[in-house]
Amino acid sequence: DTEVTQTPKHLVMGMTNKKSLKCEQHMGHRAMYWYKQKAKKPPELMFVYSYEKLSINESVPSRFSPECPNSSLLNLHLHALQPEDSALYLCASSQPRLAERTTTDTQYFGPGTRLTVL
Amino acid sequence: KQEVTQIPAALSVPEGENLVLNCSFTDSAIYNLQWFRQDPGKGLTSLLLIQSSQREQTSGRLNASLDKSSGRSTLYIAASQPGDSATYLCAVSRWTYKYIFGTGTRLKVLA
Repeated sequence: DTEVTQTPKHLVMGMTNKKSLKCEQHMGHRAMYWYKQKAKKPPELMFVYSYEKLSINESVPSRFSPECPNSSLLNLHLHALQPEDSALYLCASSQPRLAERTTTDTQYFGPGTRLTVL
Repeated sequence: KQEVTQIPAALSVPEGENLVLNCSFTDSAIYNLQWFRQDPGKGLTSLLLIQSSQREQTSGRLNASLDKSSGRSTLYIAASQPGDSATYLCAVSRWTYKYIFGTGTRLKVLA
């Protein structure tokens, strides 16, 4: 199974709502990522979890809160978002080489959640 | 700061043509480079991964080369098909899990 699943596929929320995006993989990968992608732009890294610990936070606003409850699941909790946060949110996973703190293997991406903030 | 640029930004070719997509990066101290394709509104699919010690990788009609010293990679697509129409992205990584993505090339193969 080389699949990364993301739910929901689409999400519309108001600026005062609280919602969560979910990502799941069963490939035994121990690195999981959240990316944000605006239209016609490349993905931008938001967070990386390695062995269920937050490894990278790319200075993302606190209205985005990641969580990695176990090695297969990754959540992104959303609160008080702004309209400019509307984007495609992509989850990915890979198998890290811990000793060299790099990823050596392919990143597998989920299909994304299309988020619209009204 | 690593910057990754892809040329051309958009490309339209007739079916059957061989084509080359280019990726340039400013910092040659990379660990690996990946090529992805992305269909509109969808996630990314990894096509090829080249470790910094490798010069090229091949998969079917795709061949990717890497010249670290000059900061360049190319993706060669042989005998293009309409199903190859997508955006192609290259991404480089260094010492962390951080991948920097290129600006992408939007490819359209005409039947």
